[in-house]
Amino acid sequence: EAGVVQSPRYKIIEKKQPVAFWCNPISGHNTLYWYLQNLGQGPELLIRYENEEAVDDSQLPKDRFSAERLKGVDSTLKIQPAELGDSAVYLCASSGTSGGANTGELFFGEGSRLTVL
Amino acid sequence: AQSVTQLDSQVPVFEEAPVELRCNYSSSVSVYLFWYVQYPNQGLQLLLKYLSGSTLVKGINGFEAEFNKSQTSFHLRKPSVHISDTAEYFCAVSESGTSYDKVIFGPGTSLSVIP
Repeated sequence: EAGVVQSPRYKIIEKKQPVAFWCNPISGHNTLYWYLQNLGQGPELLIRYENEEAVDDSQLPKDRFSAERLKGVDSTLKIQPAELGDSAVYLCASSGTSGGANTGELFFGEGSRLTVL
Repeated sequence: AQSVTQLDSQVPVFEEAPVELRCNYSSSVSVYLFWYVQYPNQGLQLLLKYLSGSTLVKGINGFEAEFNKSQTSFHLRKPSVHISDTAEYFCAVSESGTSYDKVIFGPGTSLSVIP
């Protein structure tokens, strides 16, 4: 079974440029998460999807960040325009159900490391 | 709202020595608890989880953790560490509500195993 796939693994851009990250979750997983991870810190939730619906986007800076999960499968996270402080690793994760219940166990991709110059 | 505290940001330990990484959480409702490990330039992977039942849970690579409800703790232990255990370790909690989908992570503990 394929794991969570993210691309690109690395991206270097100049400030004020746009950037997009793509995530394909594990097949059958209805819940998809985007996390931000700064160096030396734990992941911080940006947005959580249940199928195609964003059920928790309270921590997403909506002035420059946007996300979509069309058809409830893969997802794209966009930043426009990027700022120096956006340099970080963007992690995608998915979760499914076990015995009919979601336990919150997450399966992570390898992350997309963004460097803004 | 729940939160997760990992008091030790860095833990150096000699190879073959025991180690304990501490995790405390706060929540007003039932929770599930997790420990994840992150190797350099990789995503996080699950070490072990507590959902219900026995408070002592065993995970991969010889790690175990004990859930203590009265102390709201979920400390991770390994009796003898190896060089390959050098990594970042994150404690996480998911809180019951309509589901257990909301997962909050602690700040992480960097484990360095010294030869």
